[in-house]
Amino acid sequence: DSGVTQTPKHLITATGQRVTLRCSPRSGDLSVYWYQQSLDQGLQFLIQYYNGEERAKGNILERFSAQQFPDLHSELNLSSLELGDSALYFCASSGLAGYNEQFFGPGTRLTVL
Amino acid sequence: KNEVEQSPQNLTAQEGEFITINCSYSVGISALHWLQQHPGGGIVSLFMLSSGKKKHGRLIATINIQEKHSSLHITASHPRDSAVYICAVRSTGGYGGSQGNLIFGKGTKLSVKP
Repeated sequence: DSGVTQTPKHLITATGQRVTLRCSPRSGDLSVYWYQQSLDQGLQFLIQYYNGEERAKGNILERFSAQQFPDLHSELNLSSLELGDSALYFCASSGLAGYNEQFFGPGTRLTVL
Repeated sequence: KNEVEQSPQNLTAQEGEFITINCSYSVGISALHWLQQHPGGGIVSLFMLSSGKKKHGRLIATINIQEKHSSLHITASHPRDSAVYICAVRSTGGYGGSQGNLIFGKGTKLSVKP
């Protein structure tokens, strides 16, 4: 158990809908990262937050957004969902801004029908 | 060409065999990570290294910064080692949206037969 929790574990929804994925980092970790893993693209970095502030952006679509709250949990919002958004979404946390080992959550499997 | 290349893509071994998985990268890095992804999907961080060699139980990771190459070795392999092993590098450049974020290889799927 990495200490990082993600909810929900599975999510099935329809095209055009909006969903929110939630992540709670390990106790004391200030940095949260979001990753997408699809069958054809593999793992890709989406976005990083550090202590409530956006730190870095990767291959994140404009339809996606995220935030980190004062209690350090983070949410990833996916809107106007398309079939191609079906993937595993992982969050990870680390103690500092990024130059540390990252601890991964169990992931949320999103299926868009 | 991907910035992080792993070989082989798939590997089948007999229990007890010595296994090597290779990772080559083409960008400047500050660290390299080896991750293990179980069939259920969960990801575990095995190693983070920036030079030399690290050992944890039956797992050994090495990195050669000059050659831009890393290897993950598993000694006395066991069926429970069956998983996907993923190499990821933390770039020093601006790739991936910002300096310091991870670029992943496609993974090596290992199957160890009893």
